[in-house]
Amino acid sequence: EPEVTQTPSHQVTQMGQEVILRCVPISNHLYFYWYRQILGQKVEFLVSFYNNEISEKSEIFDDQFSVERPDGSNFTLKIRSTKLEDSAMYFCASSGAGTNTGANVLTFGAGSRLTVL
Amino acid sequence: DAKTTQPNSMESNEEEPVHLPCNHSTISGTDYIHWYRQLPSQGPEYVIHGLTSNVNNRMASLAIAEDRKSSTLILHRATLRDAAVYYCILRTWDTGRRALTFGSGTRLQVQP
Repeated sequence: EPEVTQTPSHQVTQMGQEVILRCVPISNHLYFYWYRQILGQKVEFLVSFYNNEISEKSEIFDDQFSVERPDGSNFTLKIRSTKLEDSAMYFCASSGAGTNTGANVLTFGAGSRLTVL
Repeated sequence: DAKTTQPNSMESNEEEPVHLPCNHSTISGTDYIHWYRQLPSQGPEYVIHGLTSNVNNRMASLAIAEDRKSSTLILHRATLRDAAVYYCILRTWDTGRRALTFGSGTRLQVQP
């Protein structure tokens, strides 16, 4: 079964450092997403990406965050200057491009745990 | 996405059926009902979705009330591996908004 893969599985960084989280979405999917989950809290939407541009973003996704699809397979989330409160599990997801968004299904990766010290 | 209401937690015994309820009284005619689950230390996982009719797949069944204001996810024989947080999410057709909005879900505990 096709899957979304994420690397690294766990990253520890110092506050103020830049972090890049990487994702390989399912190959024929065209929509890509990043979510985060702070320990013990809800899964929160950060951003979605389609056709090489951001299609939606939440209030959490401020200027410290950026996303990129540098090649045909990877989708990355960059946090420019990490803060303690960025410590969370970050999930990448992808979905197909069917016209009926109501029936659209997301496939999630296993996540990258970011710990900011 | 319209709001859903789920119990915070439920318990079940292994190999027994589990019925996870979801209320969505403000559902619109174009809202699909989706269920995802999150196993411990894993990413969310799609379970099932439907619009008006009941649906079955290899993981579960989805029973949708006639007025569509509520639905029930049915796990026919719970296993220990089904212990997870289950999310009921409404997805509106053709709004262009493709991101899912997760609530708090129902934490299902399965006892051996």
